[in-house]
Amino acid sequence: DAKTTQPTSMDCAEGRAANLPCNHSTISGNEYVYWYRQIHSQGPQYIIHGLKNNETNEMASLIITEDRKSSTLILPHATLRDTAVYYCIVRVDGINAGNMLTFGGGTRLMVKP
Amino acid sequence: DAGVTQSPTHLIKTRGQQVTLRCSPKSGHDTVSWYQQALGQGPQFIFQYYEEEERQRGNFPDRFSGHQFPNYSSELNVNALLLGDSALYLCASSLLDRNYGYTFGSGTRLTVV
Repeated sequence: DAKTTQPTSMDCAEGRAANLPCNHSTISGNEYVYWYRQIHSQGPQYIIHGLKNNETNEMASLIITEDRKSSTLILPHATLRDTAVYYCIVRVDGINAGNMLTFGGGTRLMVKP
Repeated sequence: DAGVTQSPTHLIKTRGQQVTLRCSPKSGHDTVSWYQQALGQGPQFIFQYYEEEERQRGNFPDRFSGHQFPNYSSELNVNALLLGDSALYLCASSLLDRNYGYTFGSGTRLTVV
């Protein structure tokens, strides 16, 4: 699986958009970008994933650059409850993909009032 | 719809003892994975079970073993506990051929003294 690089920590004002970058310059053509987050004292929570097109769901938007070497997770209106560690994971999908998620250090997002 | 249920939530054991942690997957999921998360680090994959068999294993010694039952629930066993085994143990359930939508439990906090 391709390696990812994320900033260690970020701050965001409540109500503003939080933009979390992820670099995955060695990504291969069949690898997806996944985002999970972990709120304190809870297990990781799936947020969104994508291959090459931008994706949006009720939680967030995922913007993937055209060369797929980086991506940005966008929380459009951050709330205090979005304070968490956000993990960017790159891997293939499907039954032959292998089974583990490889978590790096993630980005600790602090949403401030 | 219940998510992933783990028990117990907290556990204190003495070095050299054995421990069993339990996990009930989300309804409809057939695959269970176990992760170890040391303080301040991302989760590390231990192993995954499907159809009562271990499909893949991470870089963990044989002291770590598991089991999956016909109802898809799972157990993680750790023998000869070391102080370094102190961590949050997370269970994640999923469908075998989907990497997105892993559902994690809140974990079992194991302290070895």
